[in-house]
Amino acid sequence: KAGVTQTPRYLIKTRGQQVTLSCSPISGHRSVSWYQQTPGQGLQFLFEYFSETQRNKGNFPGRFSGRQFSNSRSEMNVSTLELGDSALYLCASSDTGGGANVLTFGAGSRLTVL
Amino acid sequence: AQSVSQHNHHVILSEAASLELGCNYSYGGTVNLFWYVQYPGQHLQLLLKYFSGDPLVKGIKGFEAEFIKSKFSFNLRKPSVQWSDTAEYFCAVISGSARQLTFGSGTQLTVLP
Repeated sequence: KAGVTQTPRYLIKTRGQQVTLSCSPISGHRSVSWYQQTPGQGLQFLFEYFSETQRNKGNFPGRFSGRQFSNSRSEMNVSTLELGDSALYLCASSDTGGGANVLTFGAGSRLTVL
Repeated sequence: AQSVSQHNHHVILSEAASLELGCNYSYGGTVNLFWYVQYPGQHLQLLLKYFSGDPLVKGIKGFEAEFIKSKFSFNLRKPSVQWSDTAEYFCAVISGSARQLTFGSGTQLTVLP
């Protein structure tokens, strides 16, 4: 069974640009969550999608958005990039989401903003 | 709101030493608890989880954790560490009807050969 696949793995952008990251969950998993990992703030929850609907959202500005497609693949978008957006963005999938489900993480997309 | 505290930011041990990493959470209701590990250059992997039942749970690679409800703790232990255990360890909690996993700040474990 293939794991969670995130693309691209690395990318470099400049301030003011926007970026789109992609996540393909494990086959059969319908819940996709996104996390931002930085040395200073650790792992912070961005949002969770289930059946194309955002079910939960973390405390991030509106520049951070996401969506989920009918095949459960998800994308997240960051507009008007700031230097502080440099981070490892992690996607995780689970069967239905919620407390009784274990998240399986992808390798992440490392974003550098110059 | 749920929160998780990992008090040890960096732990350095010699091979064969015993390990205990602390984890405390703040939520008075039902919780599910996890330990994840991130080896250098690799993605987060699940070490073990606690949902209910026996408060002593065993995970992969000889790790175990004990859920002590009265202390709001879920400490990770291993009797004898190996150099290959060098990694960052994250405690995480999901509580009640919440759908987001809240992580602690992580503990970097360095095992000296």
